[in-house]
This record gives sequence, structure tokens and C-alpha cells, in this order.
Amino acid sequence: EVQLVESGGGLVKPGGSLRLSCAASGFTFSSYIMNWVRQAPGKGLEWVSSISSSSTYIYYADSVKGRFTISRDNAKNSLYLQMNSLRAEDTAIYYCAREAPDGRLDYWGQGTLVTVSS
Amino acid sequence: QVVLTQSPSASASLGASVKLTCTLSSGHSTYDIAWHQQHPEKGPRYLMKLNTDGSHSKGDGIPDRFSGSSSGAERYLTISSLQSEDEADYYCQTWDTGIRVFGGGTKLTVL
Repeated sequence: EVQLVESGGGLVKPGGSLRLSCAASGFTFSSYIMNWVRQAPGKGLEWVSSISSSSTYIYYADSVKGRFTISRDNAKNSLYLQMNSLRAEDTAIYYCAREAPDGRLDYWGQGTLVTVSS
Repeated sequence: QVVLTQSPSASASLGASVKLTCTLSSGHSTYDIAWHQQHPEKGPRYLMKLNTDGSHSKGDGIPDRFSGSSSGAERYLTISSLQSEDEADYYCQTWDTGIRVFGGGTKLTVL
């Protein structure tokens, strides 16, 4: 069974940093593109970043470019999101999602809440 | 850049059918999409991939009541024999090099 479990969320002050993790199991993690997607309170889904299976290709939404860094450790079956210079508008639930070879996001985690507030 | 447009809300009666629409922006009418379901306070769940020719492939355990179809730039999700547990938010999603895109979501109310 595919499982994605996010952790690392919490309350942080504006300008602060936080590192999210996503532990994957039930599939060959090293073979899949992985994504971070977020959802602000009461809002829709917003793609944040994606990373290819061997970390060769990395993409970011314009809203986080230069502040967030996605990475992965295939030996640990883990995905990460380092978030720096956090703003109030980064407050959201952050989900990790597996991407099938054809581009669809086919499995999702339950999310971790990040709150940016003074 | 591709944009997906969804109506904010839809409603239908218990036992009836409903058809949700996702519209691809101009110049992107041949894109495949995926549909996702999200219940309140839960993570999204992948429902199906919907191709430009209308063929679709569903995720594990998705009931036969869920189906997809396409017409031009429109992508549809049809839910038949509506049940109370179908009340949820539904998002379409597509992809291109360097970007993944979501529609704004449709909140489905089962009356």
C-alpha cells in the first residue's frame, strides 16, 4: 500500500524557516517524480514544487521561487521542503504527492499544517 | 501557460447524476487532465486520468459511478447515483514541462 506521511509543520514567525519531510512507503520511491502541493485555509490546491526521480530536474511555482528548496533522499525514501523567508501568505496545509509517469498526481499524503504568524 | 477553469459550486439530489466541468485555456485543448476529490479536513484523493479523446483510467477503489468524458477543451466528471459521501470538493489538474496546474475546484453539495 502506497503511503505518504508528511511532518515538520508548525507555527513560525514571518521571516523564519521550516523544513518539511515526507516519508514514503509501499512503492519504489526512487522511480517517481515527487511534488509538494499546498492549500491555504478555505482555498484551493496550489502546486508548489516538483523534483525528478534522481533530482536532476527541479521546478518551483513563482510564488516560492528563491525561498523554498525541494530535495529528496532516495536511500531514506524521503522528500523534503526547506522553506525560508516565510510570509503570512505561506500559511497552508502542505501535501506531498507522487506523480505517475504520465503527469497525474496519483497518491497524496494527509498533509502538515504550516502557520506563519507573529 | 495552461489554465484550468471550474465552476465554484454545483448541487444535485441524492440518487441523481451530476456533471462537473473543467475547461482548458485557449491553445491547450489537447491536454490530458486528472480529477481529484477532497473531503473536508482530508487530503485529496486521485479519482481518474481523463484523456483528450475521452478515455479515462480510474484510481484504485474508485466506484463505477464515477466516469469521465471530453469535448474540445472541456473535461467532464460525471457522478451517477449520487450518495451523501460524494459531497466534497473536486479539482482538475494538468501538467506541462516545469509546471503542474490545478483548477480552482468545484464544491459539490448533495441535496
